[in-house]
Amino acid sequence: AQSVTQLGSHVSVSEGALVLLRCNYSSSVPPYLFWYVQYPNQGLQLLLKYTTGATLVKGINGFEAEFKKSETSFHLTKPSAHMSDAAEYFCAVSDRAGGFKTIFGAGTRLFVKA
Amino acid sequence: GAVVSQHPSRVICKSGTSVKIECRSLDFQATTMFWYRQFPKQSLMLMATSNEGSKATYEQGVEKDKFLINHASLTLSTLTVTSAHPEDSSFYICSARSGTVADTQYFGPGTRLTVL
Repeated sequence: AQSVTQLGSHVSVSEGALVLLRCNYSSSVPPYLFWYVQYPNQGLQLLLKYTTGATLVKGINGFEAEFKKSETSFHLTKPSAHMSDAAEYFCAVSDRAGGFKTIFGAGTRLFVKA
Repeated sequence: GAVVSQHPSRVICKSGTSVKIECRSLDFQATTMFWYRQFPKQSLMLMATSNEGSKATYEQGVEKDKFLINHASLTLSTLTVTSAHPEDSSFYICSARSGTVADTQYFGPGTRLTVL
């Protein structure tokens, strides 16, 4: 069965600093990987996804993530944090073996300091 | 992009009553819809998967008689919380997927249920 581990329930960075949110996955078959962002009392917004092809994926709002099969990782980065990036971020995985059900990680709360 | 709506966005009900939450795909046909539950400051937990015209598949530990799911059309799925109790208070989020795109789900904005 698929699973997702997000390292760090809380991450705090200064405005303008690099954002790095870590995600490791487990899947028995090639996975689809996703990063979502959630603002308080709102639904989820897709930041980016990896399905096949290029392992470096660029998303919205300047975020990108790299699929590293050897490390079973899909870490999310942004070169320069903005105050508006403060939110909850979820890494997720789905695969054919699981009927393409999406399984979410526990989430990482990103705080951005002025 | 594709839009999924949920209604109501917030609902408060008394213990013992039933509450229905609607999930609609507004501009595409959703062959599969998913229902998630999210407790405060926690992740989304998949409750069930519903395919249009067939019975929902519930995840382990989810009471199917308590959380009734109906996916009667390609644009509408409903979740009914029956005989609600305070512990059912949560944020319920649906998502919808087009049968032609297995890798993409579109999420609704969520419904905040509070049971008094």
